[in-house]
Amino acid sequence: NAGVMQNPRHLVRRRGQEARLRCSPMKGHSHVYWYRQLPEEGLKFMVYLQKENIIDESGMPKERFSAEFPKEGPSILRIQQVVRGDSAAYFCASSLPGGSLMNTEAFFGQGTRLTVV
Amino acid sequence: AQKVTQAQTEISVVEKEDVTLDCVYETRDTTYYLFWYKQPPSGELVFLIRRNSFDEQNEISGRYSWNFQKSTSSFNFTITASQVVDSAVYFCALRGGSSNTGKLIFGQGTTLQVKP
Repeated sequence: NAGVMQNPRHLVRRRGQEARLRCSPMKGHSHVYWYRQLPEEGLKFMVYLQKENIIDESGMPKERFSAEFPKEGPSILRIQQVVRGDSAAYFCASSLPGGSLMNTEAFFGQGTRLTVV
Repeated sequence: AQKVTQAQTEISVVEKEDVTLDCVYETRDTTYYLFWYKQPPSGELVFLIRRNSFDEQNEISGRYSWNFQKSTSSFNFTITASQVVDSAVYFCALRGGSSNTGKLIFGQGTTLQVKP
């Protein structure tokens, strides 16, 4: 799982600022997932993207949150006008294309810990 | 709806004791996968095992073993002769076939503390 790179590892933002979290998937992986881990809780699915497409965003808050995975470059999770409740660890996972997604290993990055002050 | 329940919030054992972490899941899918992940204090997620719904064979990997029972919808994880380095949060997760996106549904996690 060391192959999925997330940066920054730690991010501090003041209320009202924007937070940008980056995820570079493992080489050859074109599927990216974002999960959020609130303090003392398990991980919650946010969004699933393939290159240039959002496939499932059922876990994304309706406002202020957006995600993209452009043809070139990393996937970006953007949080606008952050509030204290956005403080959490955000994990990215990537997997290979093709075949059954059911049987595909998802490799996790080390996470970005966002603190809103 | 799909759900994973880890009823044990925290477990504390003394080194060399055996410990079992419980995981109960709910799904209407006939095809699904179950996972265990370890999250050490450093925060990353470490993959431990993946098991599909058609394979109920128990699995052993060193000091780790997993007991999958479809009849009780459980996928329990046992650490034999625990060590201090096993101290971590352990997550059980489910990937169901109906969503077709490969997303994981995680339990709340069990914090395991192994004391020397």
